[in-house]
Amino acid sequence: GAGVSQSPRYKVAKRGQDVALRCDPISGHVSLFWYQQALGQGPEFLTYFQNEAQLDKSGLPSDRFFAERPEGSVSTLKIQRTQQEDSAVYLCASSFMDRGADTQYFGPGTRLTVL
Amino acid sequence: GIQVEQSPPDLILQEGANSTLRCNFSDSVNNLQWFHQNPWGQLINLFYIPSGTKQNGRLSATTVATERYSLLYISSSQTTDSGVYFCAVEGFYNQGGKLIFGQGTELSVKP
Repeated sequence: GAGVSQSPRYKVAKRGQDVALRCDPISGHVSLFWYQQALGQGPEFLTYFQNEAQLDKSGLPSDRFFAERPEGSVSTLKIQRTQQEDSAVYLCASSFMDRGADTQYFGPGTRLTVL
Repeated sequence: GIQVEQSPPDLILQEGANSTLRCNFSDSVNNLQWFHQNPWGQLINLFYIPSGTKQNGRLSATTVATERYSLLYISSSQTTDSGVYFCAVEGFYNQGGKLIFGQGTELSVKP
């Protein structure tokens, strides 16, 4: 079946612009995660949804970052007033279970470059 | 929070050689996954292995939860095995499934 998809795959933004990154999880998966991966580093957790509820946003680096999943399926990560330090690959993952302890499947990521 | 350390950071092999990658973690875990990140950046699931041993073709993994480490074995390596291997854990006391990643082992297999 279809895996996790993300769009766009690449995004170039001028500093100060707003961007929106989309994630389509695997159909039927309850949990959805966003991670940020800087060059040469492992991914770092940003936020977690169980269906439409955002249960953990402890990893969001500033109030410029906002995520939503209004119908419990597709999710959007929005970054306002982008800064150069926001340049990274943004990864989305989903899993079937609602309480962790389950395999997470990752999308191909969106590479954001802020000029 | 829970710490994850991977070793070695880099590894260069000749095609056909075997290797062992290690992941140490600092606390009890609910979930441990091994991933291969290919040159295009895609994270590919290798194993979901919070405890025990699993095998899939030339790859196998063992997690000894009581001693807080996991090992990934690659046998008869191929050039397509090149890339970065990540270990990621979910802490036992975390209720949401958040994964904490190690820094990765970058593997290069030479023909």
